[in-house]
Amino acid sequence: AQSVTQLDSQVPVFEEAPVELRCNYSSSVSVYLFWYVQYPNQGLQLLLKYLSGSTLVESINGFEAEFNKSQTSFHLRKPSVHISDTAEYFCAVRRYNFNKFYFGSGTKLNVKP
Amino acid sequence: EAGVTQFPSHSVIEKGQTVTLRCDPISGHDNLYWYRRVMGKEIKFLLHFVKESKQDESGMPNNRFLAERTGGTYSTLKVQPAELEDSGVYFCASSQGTARQWETQYFGPGTRLLVL
Repeated sequence: AQSVTQLDSQVPVFEEAPVELRCNYSSSVSVYLFWYVQYPNQGLQLLLKYLSGSTLVESINGFEAEFNKSQTSFHLRKPSVHISDTAEYFCAVRRYNFNKFYFGSGTKLNVKP
Repeated sequence: EAGVTQFPSHSVIEKGQTVTLRCDPISGHDNLYWYRRVMGKEIKFLLHFVKESKQDESGMPNNRFLAERTGGTYSTLKVQPAELEDSGVYFCASSQGTARQWETQYFGPGTRLLVL
């Protein structure tokens, strides 16, 4: 079975500070890895994904995540956050050959001025 | 292009009543998924349609939940009778269905259900 752990339910941070949102997964088979973001009153939006190849993946708004197979982690980082990054972030995995996601419990990022 | 839409956005009902949630996927998307998030916990898979057929319903909690997708377009999820533990946010997602396993699932804003 697959499971995803997001240890931090809330992360408060000041604007322009760096941030890391942690995600660990457990799976006995190979998986694809994703980060989704949910802004207030909106649906989940895909932020970035790891399928294969380079273990470092980037989003268009400055976030990046690195797949670490030995530590089964896919932490999300941004070197300098903005107020507009305030949202809830979900880590998710999908098994090869399966369509359904397994999500973590979410991390609320609160960027303060 | 319109995204995935869900109706209603909020629903408050009493235990024992019936509620029907609706999802309109992105036009042309064959795959439709239902997920649920209970009490701020993880988002859990409920079921997956390919067109009008149920591909995987392993996440449906019990037989009080009935999902349909008539004609392979919009889908409804009916809860009858509703129980307190059914409260949560119900998300719908759709994807194109090109057989690429990594294709993006597009999520709707969710329906917030509160059972009193």
